[in-house]
Amino acid sequence: DGGITQSPKYLFRKEGQNVTLSCEQNLNHDAMYWYRQDPGQGLRLIYYSQIVNDFQKGDIAEGYSVSREKKESFPLTVTSAQKNPTAFYLCASSIGGFDYNQPQHFGDGTRLSIL
Amino acid sequence: DAKTTQPNSMESNEEEPVHLPCNHSTISGTDYIHWYRQLPSQGPEYVIHGLTSNVNNRMASLAIAEDRKSSTLILHRATLRDAAVYYCILRGLYSGGGADGLTFGKGTHLIIQP
Repeated sequence: DGGITQSPKYLFRKEGQNVTLSCEQNLNHDAMYWYRQDPGQGLRLIYYSQIVNDFQKGDIAEGYSVSREKKESFPLTVTSAQKNPTAFYLCASSIGGFDYNQPQHFGDGTRLSIL
Repeated sequence: DAKTTQPNSMESNEEEPVHLPCNHSTISGTDYIHWYRQLPSQGPEYVIHGLTSNVNNRMASLAIAEDRKSSTLILHRATLRDAAVYYCILRGLYSGGGADGLTFGKGTHLIIQP
């Protein structure tokens, strides 16, 4: 079945360490997104990409980095500069960013905690 | 950006219909109304969307007011698996929710009593 796969499901980070969250989709979607969710809150956009080799900062990009070398992959690195990384991270994709008549599809998330 | 207003929580009984309201009084003529839901410890799941006419799919129905300033998500027969947070989101040229991602509020926490 087509969908979005995020891994790992749980991740622990030590102080000063960079960690990378994986996101893969086999939906042939052009657009991909990373969101962060804190307990009891809605989702906030970290980065988004409309096409391979191009990506844009979202509302809370500081302390994070991404790459988009392949259409199906959009990994997120949480760097040591992100001082409060504990959160639930969600990856999403859609056919195209400006087609408002299409839904976004989400993965099952990665829960990141500090050791 | 146009905003939506939803009740913080609602409670319903299993096997009864549920009507989840959403107000969007500043909606523009080209904004689509999207609904997502999020089960505990999972990613959001698309439920339904519409522009002007009422919409039905296997999961739910969406009733849109004639003036489009409000809408209602209808679950025809709630089950325990429908307990989730439901988000009402506008997507359009002036509301966003396109290339720059979706704007999620706090949504409505739906509680289903057995």
